[in-house]
Amino acid sequence: AQSVTQPDIHITVSEGASLELRCNYSYGATPYLFWYVQSPGQGLQLLLKYFSGDTLVQGIKGFEAEFKRSQSSFNLRKPSVHWIDAAEYFCAVGHYGGRQGNLIFGKGTKLSVKP
Amino acid sequence: ETGVTQSPTHLIKTRGQQVTLRCSSQSGHNTVSWYQQALGQGPQFIFQYYREEENGRGNFPPRFSGLQFPNYSSELNVNALELDDSALYLCASSSFGMNTEAFFGQGTRLTVV
Repeated sequence: AQSVTQPDIHITVSEGASLELRCNYSYGATPYLFWYVQSPGQGLQLLLKYFSGDTLVQGIKGFEAEFKRSQSSFNLRKPSVHWIDAAEYFCAVGHYGGRQGNLIFGKGTKLSVKP
Repeated sequence: ETGVTQSPTHLIKTRGQQVTLRCSSQSGHNTVSWYQQALGQGPQFIFQYYREEENGRGNFPPRFSGLQFPNYSSELNVNALELDDSALYLCASSSFGMNTEAFFGQGTRLTVV
């Protein structure tokens, strides 16, 4: 079955520290992979996406993610976290063929940033 | 600015009632998908509309239905509301068949009492 696992429900990091959020997926074909961020009571904003090519993708707000096919992972990283990054982060996998509306999401990782 | 707008932003309904949620897609997009996000969970795919027809459905009962209009806007209808239908409902628009992302609206928070 197709699924996305985000093993960490809640992570707290100090401002200025580095961040890595984990994402593992189970999918029968070449996946399209996404990371979204959601602030409280808000919709989802796309941080970055992987469709093909270079397995290290750069996104907005200084985030990057690396696709590792052998590990079925797509971890999100940021070298230095700012207080404004506190939010919930969702990893998602989509259907090959461009039907980006049909996404399977993980349960999310809530990020807290301490001063 | 995503350009996807949803209305209303919040509403409260009584169990057993019916509700209609609305979504205007981003300019240039022809596909609308709906998601349900329960508190503390990730969004779950309800269905997708393309060319005014349902084009894929998640694991939701038939009392969840939808429409897409010629201008690509969409409605989500839920009949016989249950307490568990309380959630944030998200609409996403995209271009079918294109390697572009789906853009999400801000959502409608539905509370069923």
